[in-house]
Amino acid sequence: QKEVEQNSGPLSVPEGAIASLNCTYSDRGSQSFFWYRQYSGKSPELIMFIYSNGDKEDGRFTAQLNKASQYVSLLIRDSQPSDSATYLCAVTQTGANNLFFGTGTRLTVIP
Amino acid sequence: NAGVTQTPKFQVLKTGQSMTLQCAQDMNHNSMYWYRQDPGMGLRLIYYSASEGTTDKGEVPNGYNVSRLNKREFSLRLESAAPSQTSVYFCASSLGLAGGELFFGEGSRLTVL
Repeated sequence: QKEVEQNSGPLSVPEGAIASLNCTYSDRGSQSFFWYRQYSGKSPELIMFIYSNGDKEDGRFTAQLNKASQYVSLLIRDSQPSDSATYLCAVTQTGANNLFFGTGTRLTVIP
Repeated sequence: NAGVTQTPKFQVLKTGQSMTLQCAQDMNHNSMYWYRQDPGMGLRLIYYSASEGTTDKGEVPNGYNVSRLNKREFSLRLESAAPSQTSVYFCASSLGLAGGELFFGEGSRLTVL
């Protein structure tokens, strides 16, 4: 079983819509959760992190965490073509000194 | 402010050849990492260095060696390259270990024939 699972997509949404990206993780002791965005041919960059259950909002982005269900999601409101990228979920693991990354979900925002 | 700089950006090797990927950061970060990224596999940690003078294995260390030359520099060496090592390699740094933001270099695309 993979530690961090994401639907690889592609996920296509029209411009202005809400994009919903999901991630599940296997380690119930995980404490920190990150969303990275990676444009094609570029390196990942951090867009959100969340440590506590509930929602965390930053501009058009909202991260949601449910530790009981071992589920973290990223909502992108008013999606723009510039949001088209692969979104990587990353999770810390109990006793490990590194992040475990999912394989990413490719998002395409259609103008 | 360059952030994390990797060299080379592209490299083609023949099976059995050796090479070193260089990485330097100018953010005074303590921890540095080498990841590889393959289609369908995501980012996988090869080695990391929590602080100057220490290195540890990650998820996929076989076939690689690393050196933390000083606080700024962390190199990755392939002693005898294999086609399975064809990948995009990313160096990253962070202020501390897991739980903090990773800053990535631009990546190095390696092809082993």
